[in-house]
Amino acid sequence: DQQVKQNSPSLSVQEGRISILNCDYTNSMFDYFLWYKKYPAEGPTFLISISSIKDKNEDGRFTVFLNKSAKHLSLHIVPSQPGDSAVYFCAALEPARQLTFGSGTQLTVLP
Amino acid sequence: DVKVTQSSRYLVKRTGEKVFLECVQDMDHENMFWYRQDPGLGLRLIYFSYDVKMKEKGDIPEGYSVSREKKERFSLILESASTNQTSMYLCASSQYTDTQYFGPGTRLTVL
Repeated sequence: DQQVKQNSPSLSVQEGRISILNCDYTNSMFDYFLWYKKYPAEGPTFLISISSIKDKNEDGRFTVFLNKSAKHLSLHIVPSQPGDSAVYFCAALEPARQLTFGSGTQLTVLP
Repeated sequence: DVKVTQSSRYLVKRTGEKVFLECVQDMDHENMFWYRQDPGLGLRLIYFSYDVKMKEKGDIPEGYSVSREKKERFSLILESASTNQTSMYLCASSQYTDTQYFGPGTRLTVL
């Protein structure tokens, strides 16, 4: 059973607008969450993370929000740029365990 | 910058062949990982290693084995390749349990 779910396989957004990528999890033991970005024919690269003691973390155009009661996190990209077009994976970490990844969301930013 | 390299970007093998995928990291990281990425399934952990000569099964170890004789090198072995092992294979390393750094991936096709 998937403990980390990204229910939208794809998302298209106009350049300059906000992209919102969503991730839900079921394991209440997860205490650290990460987003990775992957271009075709490349490995995933770390983008941003958040600890469960916070509800928001911001890094430039990227902000991650965590709603622990809803077991939901989201990644906001503002403004979206064509170079942001990639597959985005969310991942969650339980203490003393390994990362669990979601299935990914393909973001396409249209010029 | 962390550098994780994988021996091949593309590989084509025949059913029943023994396949070696090699991964090298240059940051003296303790932990190394092998994942496979398939459409709609995200990244699934095959094996990981937290020390030389140590290995742990991930979520889908069947049909695979690993070797870690040196700290910087982690090999994935398919003893007898099958068509359902056609996939993108990603190696990663990390110093702690959170942020992992990925190699570029090996696209393996088994005919």
